[in-house]
Amino acid sequence: KAGVTQTPRYLIKTRGQQVTLSCSPISGHRSVSWYQQTPGQGLQFLFEYFSETQRNKGNFPGRFSGRQFSNSRSEMNVSTLELGDSALYLCASSPGSMRGNNEQFFGPGTRLTVL
Amino acid sequence: DQQVKQNSPSLSVQEGRISILNCDYTNSMFDYFLWYKKYPAEGPTFLISISSIKDKNEDGRFTVFLNKSAKHLSLHIVPSQPGDSAVYFCAASEGGSYIPTFGRGTSLIVHP
Repeated sequence: KAGVTQTPRYLIKTRGQQVTLSCSPISGHRSVSWYQQTPGQGLQFLFEYFSETQRNKGNFPGRFSGRQFSNSRSEMNVSTLELGDSALYLCASSPGSMRGNNEQFFGPGTRLTVL
Repeated sequence: DQQVKQNSPSLSVQEGRISILNCDYTNSMFDYFLWYKKYPAEGPTFLISISSIKDKNEDGRFTVFLNKSAKHLSLHIVPSQPGDSAVYFCAASEGGSYIPTFGRGTSLIVHP
């Protein structure tokens, strides 16, 4: 089974621009979660999509948004980029249909640098 | 408010010795715990997990211990190897949730 893929792997943008990141989950997985990783802050949860609906949301401003398509692929968009948005953005997938012990499978991440 | 805390940002251990990574949690509803390992430029990978009905789970060199009364879990790596050098994330979930809550991670360095 192919793993979680994320594109692009690296991205450089300037302040004020917007960016779209893409994630393809493991085949059969219907839940896709997005995380931001910065030094010292660990994995901060952005949001989770399941069957094209946002099911959970973290504490990020509205500049961060996402969506999920019928094939479970997901995109994350960040508008009006700020320097502090520079981070590794990780996508994780899971079957998503069971509460509790959900092991998540992570992609390699997209390294976003905002200049 | 952090519900999963990894209070040691880093840990340095000699090859062959034991590495002990600690994790504390505040939510008494958490009943499933996971450890992930992350190398630079890669996504985290699942390492080992434990359900709250157990107090220990072993997988090769990795053992996770859970102390529910203290709301504390630890990951033991014996013996430690240089290839174990990575960031380790503790995560916890409760029966009613679909996604786990992650700690901030502990960077383990194993010296040859």
